[in-house]
Amino acid sequence: QVQLQQSGPGLVKPSQTLSLTCAISGDSVSSNSATWNWIRQSPSRGLEWLGRTYFRSKWYNDYALSVKSRITINADTSKNQFSLQLNSVTPEDAAVYYCASGSHYVSYWGQGTLVTVSS
Amino acid sequence: EIVLTQSPATLSLSPGERATLSCRASQSSSYLAWYQQKPGQAPRLLIYDASNRATGIPARFSGSGSGTDFTLTISSLEPEDFAVYYCQQRDSWPPTWTFGQGTKVEIK
Repeated sequence: QVQLQQSGPGLVKPSQTLSLTCAISGDSVSSNSATWNWIRQSPSRGLEWLGRTYFRSKWYNDYALSVKSRITINADTSKNQFSLQLNSVTPEDAAVYYCASGSHYVSYWGQGTLVTVSS
Repeated sequence: EIVLTQSPATLSLSPGERATLSCRASQSSSYLAWYQQKPGQAPRLLIYDASNRATGIPARFSGSGSGTDFTLTISSLEPEDFAVYYCQQRDSWPPTWTFGQGTKVEIK
């Protein structure tokens, strides 16, 4: 049973960087069969997949076109976790952010982090 | 990029009734999933590959369809089934996931 535990601030100032971390238990971030995703949900945008990282002999990343210029997803093998960085946030980036595991679908979700963008 | 259109937006039914939810995709994909979400919770995977129930999902939930038209059926609504349901597809290129806008199943 995979468990995902999210951490990170719930309040970010406009133009700054949103940073969240997802700690994994029950699996390895560098597993050759796992894929690690970030998804957000807001009333205006619904559920929106942001990107993924996965290891298949080397590290790969895929990002949604809507955030591609501002997003970075990294894995930390020493801590068995992965992270999300979203630069230059605006109020449009306010949402509940979820980390999630799954290659074609989400099998496991983090608990969600409500992120507010405000000065 | 795939666009998923769910209908209806809201379904008002009574416990014991049958619920039929639709998801139409702008492009064909093999990977279609359904999720249930209750207030304050993360979505929960119900159906994957259009018709396979996820682990622990009751048999009253079933999925069908192929190509661009998919259906989630709840054969007899239980009180705990009143929630919002989303469909989701994975696109091969660009490698992205897309979610539908959701169908709310509410108590009539």
